Amino acid sequence: DTGVSQNPRHKITKRGQNVTFRCDPISEHNRLYWYRQTLGQGPEFLTYFQNEAQLEKSRLLSDRFSAERPKGSFSTLEIQRTEQGDSAMYLCASSLGTGQNEKLFFGSGTQLSVL
Amino acid sequence: KNQVEQSPQSLIILEGKNCTLQCNYTVSPFSNLRWYKQDTGRGPVSLTIMTFSENTKSNGRYTATLDADTKQSSLHITASQLSDSASYICVVRDRDDKIIFGKGTRLHILP
Repeated sequence: DTGVSQNPRHKITKRGQNVTFRCDPISEHNRLYWYRQTLGQGPEFLTYFQNEAQLEKSRLLSDRFSAERPKGSFSTLEIQRTEQGDSAMYLCASSLGTGQNEKLFFGSGTQLSVL
Repeated sequence: KNQVEQSPQSLIILEGKNCTLQCNYTVSPFSNLRWYKQDTGRGPVSLTIMTFSENTKSNGRYTATLDADTKQSSLHITASQLSDSASYICVVRDRDDKIIFGKGTRLHILP
């Protein structure tokens, strides 16, 4: 499989619990993005990595959210002390980062439900 | 403020009919515009990309147009199929590398 892989596909958790999602990008892609999407809305940018460096973080990314990409390959997104407002689809995308015509390849997302 | 507005919010058409989705943007300075298709429960997939100098681009039954002067784009779907049921998202990139997503148009194709 040469696409972007996200695990788990679905996560149900109780409010206050911590959750971690994983994204495996396309192998030669150096850029990796995290987005959040709620029903009827477009994806909202959270953060992105160039190799292992986290270059930008959205103001949406509160201190309960942390993302890592330790070896410049897979990435994890952790949410601590989850709140009901965190319920959303979390999308990962990767790209070769080749300038203005950069094309993002998205995974199928992790659907988080916080009860 | 850089914005991407799409209309209609949702659309229902019969299989075999054509339809056109609209995207208006205020992003400046503009770099390029992509249309993505997002099936339910899946991530978006790029359909077309258009730069400032391009007016139209086709990908099978999908044809995108761009008017950079009026900052409008459209996505025309010809001879719709049931598999075209999805959300179609307009995405604009500025020259500072910011990527701005529209909210999408939800298209339903009825048999």
